[in-house]
Amino acid sequence: AQSVSQHNHHVILSEAASLELGCNYSYGGTVNLFWYVQYPGQHLQLLLKYFSGDPLVKGIKGFEAEFIKSKFSFNLRKPSVQWSDTAEYFCAVNARSGGYNKLIFGAGTRLAVHP
Amino acid sequence: GAGVSQSPRYKVAKRGQDVALRCDPISGHVSLFWYQQALGQGPEFLTYFQNEAQLDKSGLPSDRFFAERPEGSVSTLKIQRTQQEDSAVYLCASSPDRTDTQYFGPGTRLTVL
Repeated sequence: AQSVSQHNHHVILSEAASLELGCNYSYGGTVNLFWYVQYPGQHLQLLLKYFSGDPLVKGIKGFEAEFIKSKFSFNLRKPSVQWSDTAEYFCAVNARSGGYNKLIFGAGTRLAVHP
Repeated sequence: GAGVSQSPRYKVAKRGQDVALRCDPISGHVSLFWYQQALGQGPEFLTYFQNEAQLDKSGLPSDRFFAERPEGSVSTLKIQRTQQEDSAVYLCASSPDRTDTQYFGPGTRLTVL
């Protein structure tokens, strides 16, 4: 069965610090990979996605993620965080062989950015 | 444009009551998904519709859970004889087709007392 592991449940950073959130998945086949973000009081929003092609994916608000197939990883990065990045971040995977996007989510990482 | 909407946003039920949660997907979206998000966890898949057809209900926790999408647009998730372990946020997502990006609604927070 597929699973997604997010290693950091809580991360606290100061503004301008660099961010890297880990995400590993278990599935041997071809996958689609996603990062969703949930700002306080708001619904889940897509941050970025990887379907195929260049393994370095750029998303909204300066976020990027790198798909490393050999490590089954899809880590999220941002060079310099802002207070407005305070949110919960979810990594998700979908097994493409399923024929539709049945997303498997990680438990989430709660990021707090202090001014 | 209008996003996915869900109602009610909050629901408190006494144990044993039946509840119905509504999802209005983005107009024209073929695919509709329901997820359950327990406190401190990521969303977990419940069921999937393509138009009015329920193609996957493998994530429904028990036969007390029932979902429908009779006309291929609005969907309702019904939980019969609610239990305390049903307390969670229920998320609906829609997608233009079955393999495209999913757009999530705000969720319904269900609390069973």
